[in-house]
Amino acid sequence: DSGVTQTPKHLITATGQRVTLRCSPRSGDLSVYWYQQSLDQGLQFLIQYYNGEERAKGNILERFSAQQFPDLHSELNLSSLELGDSALYFCASSGTTGVTGELFFGEGSRLTVL
Amino acid sequence: GQNIDQPTEMTATEGAIVQINCTYQTSGFNGLFWYQQHAGEAPTFLSYNVLDGLEEKGRFSSFLSRSKGYSYLLLKELQMKDSASYLCAVTYPTGANNLFFGTGTRLTVIP
Repeated sequence: DSGVTQTPKHLITATGQRVTLRCSPRSGDLSVYWYQQSLDQGLQFLIQYYNGEERAKGNILERFSAQQFPDLHSELNLSSLELGDSALYFCASSGTTGVTGELFFGEGSRLTVL
Repeated sequence: GQNIDQPTEMTATEGAIVQINCTYQTSGFNGLFWYQQHAGEAPTFLSYNVLDGLEEKGRFSSFLSRSKGYSYLLLKELQMKDSASYLCAVTYPTGANNLFFGTGTRLTVIP
């Protein structure tokens, strides 16, 4: 158990819909990272927050947005969903602003868009 | 991204040794990670190399050559449970707030 909690574990929805994925980092970790993993593809970095502020942005679509709340949990919002958005979405946390050590990954949220 | 290249698939026999290679863009390189990921599960940390040389941790070892842009993960005394994807990931100072992953090497251990 990494200490990172993600909900929901599975989500099935239709094209055009909007979903919210939630992540609670390890106790004490201020950084939260979101990654997308499509079938047979590597982990693609989406966005990072540190202590409530956006710190880095990767290949995140404009239809996607995220935020980190004062209690440090984070939410990833995916809107106008397309079939190609079907993927595993991982949240990871660390205690530092940058990747200087291990990232702790949650179990992921598997999104299926029909 | 970052020209991270590793073999797509490998097969090895239980009890044997396997080496998984990874090459990456050297310009501005900072550090290299290896993660293990079983199908449908979260990646778990194996090793982190910043300096040249070999880091040994039980049955797993990781090697880095910064000048050559090359790393390998060595797995000894293979067990069936080692069947998984092994992800090479790198950080660069300009992208210090994120980790760039390769597509992973799917290792199958056979009896």
